[in-house]
Amino acid sequence: QSALTQSASVSGSPGQSITISCTGTSNDIGNYDLVSWYQHHPPGAPKLIIYRVTNRPSGVSNRFSGSKSGNTASLTISGLQAEDEANYYCASYTSINTLVFGGGTKLTVL
Amino acid sequence: QVQLVESGGGVVQPGRSLRLSCAASGFIFSSDGMHWVRQAPGKGLEWVAFTSYDGSNENYVDSVKGRFTISRDNSKNTLYLQMNSLRIEDTALYFCAKGRGEYDRYEMDAWGKGTTVTVSS
Repeated sequence: QSALTQSASVSGSPGQSITISCTGTSNDIGNYDLVSWYQHHPPGAPKLIIYRVTNRPSGVSNRFSGSKSGNTASLTISGLQAEDEANYYCASYTSINTLVFGGGTKLTVL
Repeated sequence: QVQLVESGGGVVQPGRSLRLSCAASGFIFSSDGMHWVRQAPGKGLEWVAFTSYDGSNENYVDSVKGRFTISRDNSKNTLYLQMNSLRIEDTALYFCAKGRGEYDRYEMDAWGKGTTVTVSS
């Protein structure tokens, strides 16, 4: 099972919006609405910010939103803040009953 | 609140074994599926294994099948990962993570801070 494809890095200025894409195949993202997104500020614990493509856990800012089209899922962060600077990972359920993560995207807030 | 604390990491030679533990608190451990996820140095997250709430169902990434075993002791609120025949490429920070409710197999809503495993001769 190959990792989902994410761009290695993205940047934006405070107040701007950015979108991180996550591309898989018909064996994962394309066939299941079971995409989640995680924010990771190393060396801490990763944090779930989006589940089932579009849903936010309680306590997660509504500046985070998710979507999906075909084999590609996307995470949009609006109104960028300095604290958003982190690594972001997508993940999807797969047809072989496993989970697969993306390679991760490092967000820099300029 | 939910707390997950991993332990058992260390430095081990290739071919040897190691058992990781994850002590859980702040939720009904016996109700939720649990995962192990790892992060090799300088790399991204890699899902390793899942066990259902009662341990009756397990799934693994191909690279660890036959070598790693995930298990749990619900009486002790503890998750385990038995790692045998360790390889250099198993070197990573290992996270324990809690599955989210009825979708526990598909997403993780709480994570520990990890324990480091280094496989080196």
